[in-house]
Amino acid sequence: DTGVSQDPRHKITKRGQNVTFRCDPISEHNRLYWYRQTLGQGPEFLTYFQNEAQLEKSRLLSDRFSAERPKGSFSTLEIQRTEQGDSAMYLCASSLGSEEVLFGPGTRLTVL
Amino acid sequence: KQEVTQIPAALSVPEGENLVLNCSFTDSAIYNLQWFRQDPGKGLTSLLLIQSSQREQTSGRLNASLDKSSGRSTLYIAASQPGDSATYLCAVSPSYNQGGKLIFGQGTELSVKP
Repeated sequence: DTGVSQDPRHKITKRGQNVTFRCDPISEHNRLYWYRQTLGQGPEFLTYFQNEAQLEKSRLLSDRFSAERPKGSFSTLEIQRTEQGDSAMYLCASSLGSEEVLFGPGTRLTVL
Repeated sequence: KQEVTQIPAALSVPEGENLVLNCSFTDSAIYNLQWFRQDPGKGLTSLLLIQSSQREQTSGRLNASLDKSSGRSTLYIAASQPGDSATYLCAVSPSYNQGGKLIFGQGTELSVKP
């Protein structure tokens, strides 16, 4: 297994456009997480899935954000009507239960 | 509400020095603690995971300790090298059921000068 992968690695979009990011976790991991990181800060938790069920969403996740994990495999994070404040690194991670969390390379979003 | 603090925010040392990075957390009821490394513009690389019942973990030149009762963890790096230059982040997991929902510190940016 090559680890957690994310696509795209970079995304530049104009304010008001919709964007979608994909995450492929480590195959045997049942939990998948999304985090957001802005410059100079530690990552902040957004949401997580256990298998296909979305178990928790942070208050940071406004109504413009939606995440899915159909069939408990890959996950997508969609941001509708992007704003400049959405510019950040979006990190996906996975784990087997509550054990070691492994992160992907991230998707860098820039909203112009 | 759990808060994680890392001091110092930045550290510069000459190559070969041994160094300690500090992490403190306000609520001692944690499930585990992880240390990560992050290179500029990259994702996070897991370094060490310490379960709440453990006192320390070692991997190569790295040693992490945990004192849950006082809300502290340290990452010790022996014989530092320029390749160790990166940001080091600690994160706590609040409970078994929320394992993986990590609460991060802001990180310590380490620079090792040749």
